[in-house]
Amino acid sequence: QSALTQPASVSGSPGQSITISCTGTSSDVGAFDYVSWYQQHPGKVPKLLIFEVTNRPSGVSSRFSGSKSGTTASLTISGLQAEDEAHYYCSSYTSTTTVVVFGGGTKLTVL
Amino acid sequence: QVQLVQSGAEVRRPGSSVKVSCKASGATFGTYTITWVRQTPGLGLEWMGRIIPMFQSTTYAQNFKDRVTITADESTNTIYMEMSSLTSEDTAIYFCARDRWELPDWFDPWGQGTLVTVSS
Repeated sequence: QSALTQPASVSGSPGQSITISCTGTSSDVGAFDYVSWYQQHPGKVPKLLIFEVTNRPSGVSSRFSGSKSGTTASLTISGLQAEDEAHYYCSSYTSTTTVVVFGGGTKLTVL
Repeated sequence: QVQLVQSGAEVRRPGSSVKVSCKASGATFGTYTITWVRQTPGLGLEWMGRIIPMFQSTTYAQNFKDRVTITADESTNTIYMEMSSLTSEDTAIYFCARDRWELPDWFDPWGQGTLVTVSS
């Protein structure tokens, strides 16, 4: 069981927007603005999409955005494209001895 | 921009140990910090530990601190992760990734991953 809770799956049609939630605790998501999001296609390496809640690395599409409220962080993907079909993971720095916690991952299906 | 290339797949017996390497290029030794993460179908992604090569300073997750050792070799610009007392539950893909200097805030880029299979 992962420390951060994500929905197992979400789906949307091309052009639509979807949001993936990532729920933690007051020791991780609620305590720090150190939430990041990763995209992983099957058999591929995770790719950083968002860091420190809202920041996009150079080269990442502006269709990806992040936010946080309390102990829940969110990733929003606007203008869904077929290539967005992948697994998405959140992570957070934590004050516990685990140091970093991940979500269990969300499979995005583009209908 | 640092690039990370990991060593190849390994097969080990239960009770043995494994050492995975992560060779960095495109960045001078000591200018980056490296994290290790593993991925399994059952537990997903797990953060294992990190190293600041310049100081050979390490931090480990509680679940791994007794079995994992992370080291850095300046002469080859290579980071190593060694895990001992392997069980079948350690069968996973092991990734190295660059992280933020001050703390393991984000991970980018990632190595290609090393599959470690533990089987009798």
